[in-house]
Amino acid sequence: QVQLVESGGGLVKPGGSLKLSCAVSGFTFRDYYMSWIRQAPGRGLEWVSFISGSGTIVWSADSVKGRFTISRDNADNSLYLQMNSLRAEDTAVYYCARERGGINDYWGQGTLVTVSS
Amino acid sequence: EIVLTQSPATLSVSPGERATVSCRASQSVSGRYFAWYQQTPGQAPRLLIYDASKRATGIPDRFSGSGSGTDFTLTISRLEPEDFAVYYCQQYGSSPRTFGPGTKVEI
Repeated sequence: QVQLVESGGGLVKPGGSLKLSCAVSGFTFRDYYMSWIRQAPGRGLEWVSFISGSGTIVWSADSVKGRFTISRDNADNSLYLQMNSLRAEDTAVYYCARERGGINDYWGQGTLVTVSS
Repeated sequence: EIVLTQSPATLSVSPGERATVSCRASQSVSGRYFAWYQQTPGQAPRLLIYDASKRATGIPDRFSGSGSGTDFTLTISRLEPEDFAVYYCQQYGSSPRTFGPGTKVEI
C-alpha cells in the first residue's frame, strides 16, 4: 500500500536550518509530482512547494521562496525539503503528499518543525 | 492568488442529519479544479472530492460535491460519528494552489 513517512523535524533557532525527508513506498515514485504542505498549530493548511517526477519543475509559495528548496532522489524513493533562514512563522507540521493532477491523494503523518529561541 | 472563504466556520449537527459546507473563491476557478479534504484530530488530511464532484477512492457516497466558477459545496447526506471533523476546500486551477480556512463539523 502507499506509504509516506516524514522525518527530520525538531526544534531550531530562528535563522537556523533543517532538512526534512519523506520516504515513499507503494507506488512508482518517479511517475508522480510530490508536494510539501504545512499546518501551523491550530491553523489551516498552506501549500509550500511541489516538484515534478523528474525533478526538473519546481514551484514554491512566495512565503518560502529563496529560503526553502524542494528536491527528490528517485533512486532512493525520497523527497526532501531544505529549509534555511527559518522564522517563527515557519513553525508547523510539515506533510509530504503525492500529487495527481494538482490534488494530493496520499499524505504522510507529518513532522513537526518548531522555530524558537 | 485565489482566496477561498468557507462558511460556516463551525457547523453543529446531530448524527443522521445532513451537513452542507460552502466555499467561495475570490475569482473563478478554472476547469472546476476544486477539491475537499477531511481532517480528524491528530491525523493528516484525507482527500474526499476532486474536480468539484468526483469522489476519491474509498469515499462513501454520502459525501458529494458540487459547484463551479466561484461557489462550491460539500454535502454530507447523513452524518456518521466518524464524519465529525474539519473540512477544507482547495483550488488547484491556479498557482499558487490555495486552501480555505476550514469548517469544523461538530456534534
